[in-house]
Amino acid sequence: QQQVKQSPQSLIVQKGGISIINCAYENTAFDYFPWYQQFPGKGPALLIAIRPDVSEKKEGRFTISFNKSAKQFSLHIMDSQPGDSATYFCAAMEGGGFKTIFGAGTRLFVKA
Amino acid sequence: GAVVSQHPSRVICKSGTSVKIECRSLDFQATTMFWYRQFPKQSLMLMATSNEGSKATYEQGVEKDKFLINHASLTLSTLTVTSAHPEDSSFYICSALKRTRGGALFGANVLTFGAGSRLTVL
Repeated sequence: QQQVKQSPQSLIVQKGGISIINCAYENTAFDYFPWYQQFPGKGPALLIAIRPDVSEKKEGRFTISFNKSAKQFSLHIMDSQPGDSATYFCAAMEGGGFKTIFGAGTRLFVKA
Repeated sequence: GAVVSQHPSRVICKSGTSVKIECRSLDFQATTMFWYRQFPKQSLMLMATSNEGSKATYEQGVEKDKFLINHASLTLSTLTVTSAHPEDSSFYICSALKRTRGGALFGANVLTFGAGSRLTVL
């Protein structure tokens, strides 16, 4: 019940294409869903986040789609660029962030 | 924005020695910080929750005598790997909770991560 399932494990996308990463959760107590981007040898950085009372949030080329009834959320990267090549983690938080469950990560490679 | 500084970024030590890693919140006060361990191509594994002025809470399976955590001030938490052995070699990352003050996520606690510390034990 505490897991956050993330797919795919790895993803190769052509430059200019759309990258889509999916996550699913079980615990309905989660109340905040961030996505993190991590480059090799660096710590994760917050990319975009959403609360469950919103179905979509867009920031530049990055969009989160949230389906509360299905307990699923996804990250869409529009016009993917080689600089987007990184590992992406979804997460689910509850208790004001004192409990955070991370997905397994998706390694994205954008081909030039 | 929230900045968390982690030091050192890389450390190499001999087996049996102790290594200290520092995690500082530079522009905000963090009553709660977290320490993670990350193996290659894997997700973050929470080791412990560090609370300012009190004992850290360790996750199941994490040896508290091996991984000493001190959170003596609102801006500094330290992780000391005692009597390090090659199996302790890993990427250690800290994070701190900061409450957002504006925008669509007003009032949410956001996790800000340090850049990580690569420990190699010879």
